Amino acid sequence: QQQVKQSPQSLIVQKGGIPIINCAYENTAFDYFPWYQQFPGKGPALLIAIRPDVSEKKEGRFTISFNKSAKQFSLHIMDSQPGDSATYFCAASGSRLTFGEGTQLTVNP
Amino acid sequence: NAGVTQTPKFRILKIGQSMTLQCTQDMNHNYMYWYRQDPGMGLKLIYYSVGAGITDKGEVPNGYNVSRSTTEDFPLRLELAAPSQTSVYFCASSRKVTPFFPNTGELFFGEGSRLTVL
Repeated sequence: QQQVKQSPQSLIVQKGGIPIINCAYENTAFDYFPWYQQFPGKGPALLIAIRPDVSEKKEGRFTISFNKSAKQFSLHIMDSQPGDSATYFCAASGSRLTFGEGTQLTVNP
Repeated sequence: NAGVTQTPKFRILKIGQSMTLQCTQDMNHNYMYWYRQDPGMGLKLIYYSVGAGITDKGEVPNGYNVSRSTTEDFPLRLELAAPSQTSVYFCASSRKVTPFFPNTGELFFGEGSRLTVL
């Protein structure tokens, strides 16, 4: 069964901190790894995505690190802000897009 | 540009009742999806469609039905509602990126429909 495991379930940091959210997958056929951001009362929206032929991708303050041999990838948020408080989902695409369980991030002022 | 629109936003059902969640998109996307979101469980795929007239089951299809008569609309039907169907339902769409399925394009989500079955 295709699975994506995400941790931690919740995370609290101070403004300016660097929260890190981790995901692990099992299926080596996965070839696309997006992260989605969801604010309360809204649907998820694509934040950043990576393919397994690169080890890192940066977009603004958001960075994905990808370790193909370990089958793990993570999201780093540099200089986090209260406006980054949201739920973050990792996902992996094989025969279908499989989502992780989600991480509720709170950035305190 | 409205994107993906879901109705209703909130609904309370009694056990055994039926209802339809409506979803429409104005981006001319081929692919459409229904997910349910439960706390700590992520997003689970219920049904998806790769085009008008074509639908298929996802991970958790039991108790649901869908149809896709047009490119724009993808309603989700709940028959004989049960408390286990209490959830937040999201409709999403994406354009056709590759000739094949799976499609790995960006998903555009609606704002969700919160359903409670009592």
